[in-house]
Amino acid sequence: QKEVEQDPGPLSVPEGAIVSLNCTYSNSAFQYFMWYRQYSRKGPELLMYTYSSGNKEDGRFTAQVDKSSKYISLFIRDSQPSDSATYLCAMKRGGGGADGLTFGKGTHLIIQP
Amino acid sequence: GAVVSQHPSRVICKSGTSVKIECRSLDFQATTMFWYRQFPKQSLMLMATSNEGSKATYEQGVEKDKFLINHASLTLSTLTVTSAHPEDSSFYICSALTGTAEYFGPGTRLTVL
Repeated sequence: QKEVEQDPGPLSVPEGAIVSLNCTYSNSAFQYFMWYRQYSRKGPELLMYTYSSGNKEDGRFTAQVDKSSKYISLFIRDSQPSDSATYLCAMKRGGGGADGLTFGKGTHLIIQP
Repeated sequence: GAVVSQHPSRVICKSGTSVKIECRSLDFQATTMFWYRQFPKQSLMLMATSNEGSKATYEQGVEKDKFLINHASLTLSTLTVTSAHPEDSSFYICSALTGTAEYFGPGTRLTVL
């Protein structure tokens, strides 16, 4: 079993829909959870950053972490064609942040105009 | 804020040559930087952790003599791929740590002929 599981998609939704992306993980030591957006042949862009369980909202984006289920989600409201990209979940252990990230495989999202 | 640059963005070299990739944090200092590798349609895999003023820490399976890392200052880390071979062709991405958040560079696409 991989440490982080993420459905690669593609996930295709119409413009304006609510998008739900998620990851599961197996390592209970993970404390920091991130979502990155990556366009083709570009570096990942940090979208959301969450510590431990709970919800966090930033504009059209909402991140949820359920540590008891080892499940994290990213919701995108009022989706736009410009949101079409690969979304990567990433996480790291607690203890100062000097560990690198463990990534999911990424979900390829397509927003249809 | 939190901008990370990489140079070059793309490099093509002959088998057996060495290639140096630079990673710079432009608007913050980073005592820790990370190097990742991403193969097509795959996620980012951590290669090594670069610490300013000390030796890099390599992930299991990554040859330290092949991938030389130098973290010369608080804003610069370099990755040198020595004696490159076609199987080293990949997308190399660095990140810089500020607090517990990682910000990524735009990546360097290496093609070894």
